[in-house]
Amino acid sequence: KAGVTQTPRYLIKTRGQQVTLSCSPISGHRSVSWYQQTPGQGLQFLFEYFSETQRNKGNFPGRFSGRQFSNSRSEMNVSTLELGDSALYLCASSSSTSGGIPSTDTQYFGPGTRLTVL
Amino acid sequence: GQQVMQIPQYQHVQEGEDFTTYCNSSTTLSNIQWYKQRPGGHPVFLIQLVKSGEVKKQKRLTFQFGEAKKNSSLHITATQTTDVGTYFCAVYFGNEKLTFGTGTRLTIIP
Repeated sequence: KAGVTQTPRYLIKTRGQQVTLSCSPISGHRSVSWYQQTPGQGLQFLFEYFSETQRNKGNFPGRFSGRQFSNSRSEMNVSTLELGDSALYLCASSSSTSGGIPSTDTQYFGPGTRLTVL
Repeated sequence: GQQVMQIPQYQHVQEGEDFTTYCNSSTTLSNIQWYKQRPGGHPVFLIQLVKSGEVKKQKRLTFQFGEAKKNSSLHITATQTTDVGTYFCAVYFGNEKLTFGTGTRLTIIP
């Protein structure tokens, strides 16, 4: 099976702009999660989508949003970019189904999108 | 919010020496996962521990889950240059948000 793919791999934007990142999960995976990775804050959970519905959300401002399509592909959008949004944005998919707690899902990460905000 | 502490933040070892990273939580964990991220790469799942006192091995890597399920460790025996990277523990705190530790960056001195 092909792995998780993310586009674009690199992006340069200026403050105030908005950006859309795309993620295609592993075939058959219905859960897609997004993470932000920065040197200062580490790996932080943004949100998770399952069957086109947001199932979990991290502690990020409303400028960060996402959606999932019927084919499980997902996009995340960041509006009104700030310098602090510069980061590696990672998408991960899992074979999660019913969303039982506690979860034991393994996350399969894509290569990430490196976003630089100038 | 709930978090998991990981130490040390950095570790430099001579090739052939052993390496250990630790994760600690103030609350009892249902399970813990370990990931490795090579420089310039993305996190890759290594293993998951579920049972109290569980020990799992992958070649030179040994993973342990504490008896109280509040801590875990990853030990690498006789490190090699291919072990370079950042090792993360990760935990679901029952709410399906996978929370990552701060990571331990391992560098190998040839």
